[in-house]
Amino acid sequence: AQSVTQLGSHVSVSEGALVLLRCNYSSSVPPYLFWYVQYPNQGLQLLLKYTSAATLVKGINGFEAEFKKSETSFHLTKPSAHMSDAAEYFCAVSPSGGYNKLIFGAGTRLAVHP
Amino acid sequence: DAGVTQSPTHLIKTRGQHVTLRCSPISGHKSVSWYQQVLGQGPQFIFQYYEKEERGRGNFPDRFSARQFPNYSSELNVNALLLGDSALYLCASKPPTDQNTGELFFGEGSRLTVL
Repeated sequence: AQSVTQLGSHVSVSEGALVLLRCNYSSSVPPYLFWYVQYPNQGLQLLLKYTSAATLVKGINGFEAEFKKSETSFHLTKPSAHMSDAAEYFCAVSPSGGYNKLIFGAGTRLAVHP
Repeated sequence: DAGVTQSPTHLIKTRGQHVTLRCSPISGHKSVSWYQQVLGQGPQFIFQYYEKEERGRGNFPDRFSARQFPNYSSELNVNALLLGDSALYLCASKPPTDQNTGELFFGEGSRLTVL
């Protein structure tokens, strides 16, 4: 069965510092991988996705993630944090089949302080 | 263009009651999925519907049911509510040109509190 593990339920960074949110997946087949962001009292917004093309994926708001098959990882990074990046971030995996089912990690809450 | 819309946005029920949550997908999207997000956790898959047929079901009891209408809107029904059903219920739709990559567009959710 596929699963996603996000290391660190809370991450705190200073404004302007590097953001690194960790995600590891388990999958017996090549997965599709996603990062979603959830701002308070809102739904989920797609940041970026990996669908077996380029291993380095660029998303919105300056975020990017690198797919590393050997490490079964899909970590999310941003070179310089902004206050507006404070939110909850979810890594998700999708079977490469015909369904919409996404398997989400437990989430990482990112705090950005001045 | 309007995004995925859900109603009601907030509601409070008591144990044993029934609830109906509604979702309208983005225009042109024919597939709708429902997720439950308990506080402090990631969303969990409940159902997926495509062309009015159930295409997937998560590990939820039979108290949970759903349906999709000819206009592709959807309802999620939960019977005999339990305290543990308190959660944010998210609806998501899928664009027809997105071939099996799993990208979903989410609504803002319906927050259900069971007392």
